[in-house]
Amino acid sequence: AQSVTQLGSHVSVSEGALVLLRCNYSSSVPPYLFWYVQYPNQGLQLLLKYTTGATLVKGINGFEAEFKKSETSFHLTKPSAHMSDAAEYFCAVSYSSNTGKLIFGQGTTLQVKP
Amino acid sequence: EAGVTQFPSHSVIEKGQTVTLRCDPISGHDNLYWYRRVMGKEIKFLLHFVKESKQDESGMPNNRFLAERTGGTYSTLKVQPAELEDSGVYFCASSQDRAEQYFGPGTRLTVT
Repeated sequence: AQSVTQLGSHVSVSEGALVLLRCNYSSSVPPYLFWYVQYPNQGLQLLLKYTTGATLVKGINGFEAEFKKSETSFHLTKPSAHMSDAAEYFCAVSYSSNTGKLIFGQGTTLQVKP
Repeated sequence: EAGVTQFPSHSVIEKGQTVTLRCDPISGHDNLYWYRRVMGKEIKFLLHFVKESKQDESGMPNNRFLAERTGGTYSTLKVQPAELEDSGVYFCASSQDRAEQYFGPGTRLTVT
């Protein structure tokens, strides 16, 4: 079965430090890849997505992710964490062969320490 | 442009009762999805509408769950009768194409 794995349910970084949230998917067919963020008491907001083309994708709020087919990964990074980045982050995939339904990872809560 | 809205934001009901959740998608979005997150678990797909037709309902847990989308606009998800394991956050999302879904804030359902 297709699945998404996010390594680490909680990640803590200091303000100004590099943010790295890991995501791996299990499929021999390259999917569409997404990162969503959920701030407290809000819905999910799309950070960035990869469908085709350039494998390094830039999103909102300074985040970016790189699709590595050989590693079946789509890790999310940000060079310098800000206090406002504290939230829960979800990696998700969908496949063009199906209805577009998203398969989510377990989520990673990012804590940013002053 | 208004985003996806969901009502209610919270619902607390007793086991055996009925609850109806509502989702209003972004105007013009033919695709509407329902997802659920049970505490401690990942967000899981429930079903997908294209306009008023159910395209994929493979994620619906059992026949206590009934989803409708009247006239291809808003959608409702009814749980009857509710069980304790139905507690969680129910998300609705809509999209114009299948590459980007816009999510609502979710409905937190608590069954006691």
